[in-house]
Amino acid sequence: EVQLLESGGGLVQPGGSLRLSCAASGFTFSSYAMSWVRQAPGKGLEWVSAISDSGFRTYYADSVKGRFTISRDNSKNTLYLQVNNLRVEDTAVYYCAKDENTGSCFDYWGQGTLVTVSS
Amino acid sequence: QLVLTQSPSASASLGASVKLTCTLSSGHTTYVIAWHQQQPEKGPRYLMKVNSDGSHRKGDGIPDRFSGSSSGAERYLTISSLQSEDEADYYCQTWGAGINWVFGGGTKLTVL
Repeated sequence: EVQLLESGGGLVQPGGSLRLSCAASGFTFSSYAMSWVRQAPGKGLEWVSAISDSGFRTYYADSVKGRFTISRDNSKNTLYLQVNNLRVEDTAVYYCAKDENTGSCFDYWGQGTLVTVSS
Repeated sequence: QLVLTQSPSASASLGASVKLTCTLSSGHTTYVIAWHQQQPEKGPRYLMKVNSDGSHRKGDGIPDRFSGSSSGAERYLTISSLQSEDEADYYCQTWGAGINWVFGGGTKLTVL
């Protein structure tokens, strides 16, 4: 059974940083690209960042480019998102998602971790 | 710029059928899309991919009550024999080189 378990969210002041993690199991993690998607309170889904299966290629939404860094450790079956210089508008539940195939849709999602940016 | 358009809300009665629509913007009408369901207070769940020819492939464990179809720029999700647990938000998604991954605004389905 595929499982994705996010952690690392919390309350942080504007300008602060967090490192989100997503522990994966039930599939060959190193064979699939992964993404982070966020959902602000009461809003829809917004794709944030993606990383190739090897980790060599990364992609970012314009809204987070230069502030967020996606990475992965295939030996630990874990996906990461380093979020720096946080803004109030970054407040959201952050989900990790598994690509069905390279550059395809997401076929499994985690339960999310909440990041709240507030002074 | 690729935009996916969804109606903000829909409703149908328990046991009835409902057809949700996702419309691809001009110039992108052949794209494949995916449908995701998000029940209240839960993470999204992948339902299926829908191709421009109307063929679709469902995710693991998705009931036969859920089906997909297409017509031109529109991609559809039909849910038959509506159950109370189908009350949820439904999002369409597409992807591609240069556009990365894009979501529609979502449709909130109410089961009456």
